[in-house]
Amino acid sequence: GQQVMQIPQYQHVQEGEDFTTYCNSSTTLSNIQWYKQRPGGHPVFLIQLVKSGEVKKQKRLTFQFGEAKKNSSLHITATQTTDVGTYFCAGDRGTSYGKLTFGQGTILTVHP
Amino acid sequence: NAGVTQTPKFQVLKTGQSMTLQCAQDMNHEYMSWYRQDPGMGLRLIHYSVGAGITDQGEVPNGYNVSRSTTEDFPLRLLSAAPSQTSVYFCASTYTANTEAFFGQGTRLTVV
Repeated sequence: GQQVMQIPQYQHVQEGEDFTTYCNSSTTLSNIQWYKQRPGGHPVFLIQLVKSGEVKKQKRLTFQFGEAKKNSSLHITATQTTDVGTYFCAGDRGTSYGKLTFGQGTILTVHP
Repeated sequence: NAGVTQTPKFQVLKTGQSMTLQCAQDMNHEYMSWYRQDPGMGLRLIHYSVGAGITDQGEVPNGYNVSRSTTEDFPLRLLSAAPSQTSVYFCASTYTANTEAFFGQGTRLTVV
């Protein structure tokens, strides 16, 4: 079945440092979604990437979708303590059922 | 507009007991899903539904049962609880396939 691998599993940074998490799928994706989960909370949608090579920005967050539509990354510039949480990618193969396959998540800790 | 509501928030069961986790959404979403979240494993799909009366198995369906009699509700039944089912359970809904998922607050289940 489809697998989505996400690395690293943990990342500790000092406030102000940059952070990147990577996502790789074993199959070509129709689209990829990114979610953030605060400690003790539930996943919250951040963004969806659909096109090959697509790059989207949300303030300090930059999302990329690979040319082959099998990998993606999330980059945060100048982290803040409010960025703490787990970041998940979720791959969609584009079936009519809309099933998402989630990566394992990257747990980000930001030290002030 | 409550979004996706899950009850209960916390539950402790004894091995062999059965229970139902409730999930309701008020956004008129056709698609609903149940995930379990375990450390280091991301979110894994248990069962999903693409509309009232239609359900299907996800990645880890064993030991769980679902039904979808209305658009709003998608309960998850544990038939005979086992310690391996200790997890955090999330219900999610989407308007259509391939769109952002809205998650409930989660149910933290412990089976002793």
